[in-house]
Amino acid sequence: AQTVTQSQPEMSVQEAETVTLSCTYDTSESDYYLFWYKQPPSRQMILVIRQEAYKQQNATENRFSVNFQKAAKSFSLKISDSQLGDAAMYFCAYREWSNYQLIWGAGTKLIIKP
Amino acid sequence: DAGVTQSPTHLIKTRGQQVTLRCSPKSGHDTVSWYQQALGQGPQFIFQYYEEEERQRGNFPDRFSGHQFPNYSSELNVNALLLGDSALYLCASSFSSYEQYFGPGTRLTVT
Repeated sequence: AQTVTQSQPEMSVQEAETVTLSCTYDTSESDYYLFWYKQPPSRQMILVIRQEAYKQQNATENRFSVNFQKAAKSFSLKISDSQLGDAAMYFCAYREWSNYQLIWGAGTKLIIKP
Repeated sequence: DAGVTQSPTHLIKTRGQQVTLRCSPKSGHDTVSWYQQALGQGPQFIFQYYEEEERQRGNFPDRFSGHQFPNYSSELNVNALLLGDSALYLCASSFSSYEQYFGPGTRLTVT
């Protein structure tokens, strides 16, 4: 069965600095999607970035970028120029190409220090 | 354009009771998925509805059932509530199998 592991329960970073959140996953599939979602205290899960496994180029969305290492089954999220509004729980999620359910990690709580 | 909406926001029920949670998908979306998120954990997939049918189900007992209406809105029903059913219930909508957009969730407390 596929699993997603986030080994950092909590991370903190100074405002305007860069932080990297880690995620590893286990799968025997070759075609899949990976996602990072953000869940602020308001509880609404917000999609931050997605990566298709067949794409070699790492996805980027403004200050958010990923380091996708398919062979190592690693998918880390880098947040540049951290802002107070980035404070939230961050979840890594996996979905097979031909499947519909998202499989989630346990989350990393990101604290931004002003 | 309204996003995914869920009702109610909060709910308190007693063990053994039944509950119905509701979800309206984002405009243009035809697929609804339900997740259970226990405190301090990642969400767990309950099931997904497409074309008014349950397309896929996670590892949840039959006490959890759902429905999708012709307008794509959906309900999640839970029978014979247990204390362990206390959680945040998230609804997500998508167009077919594309990326999922989430609602704000319903916080269910079972006493």
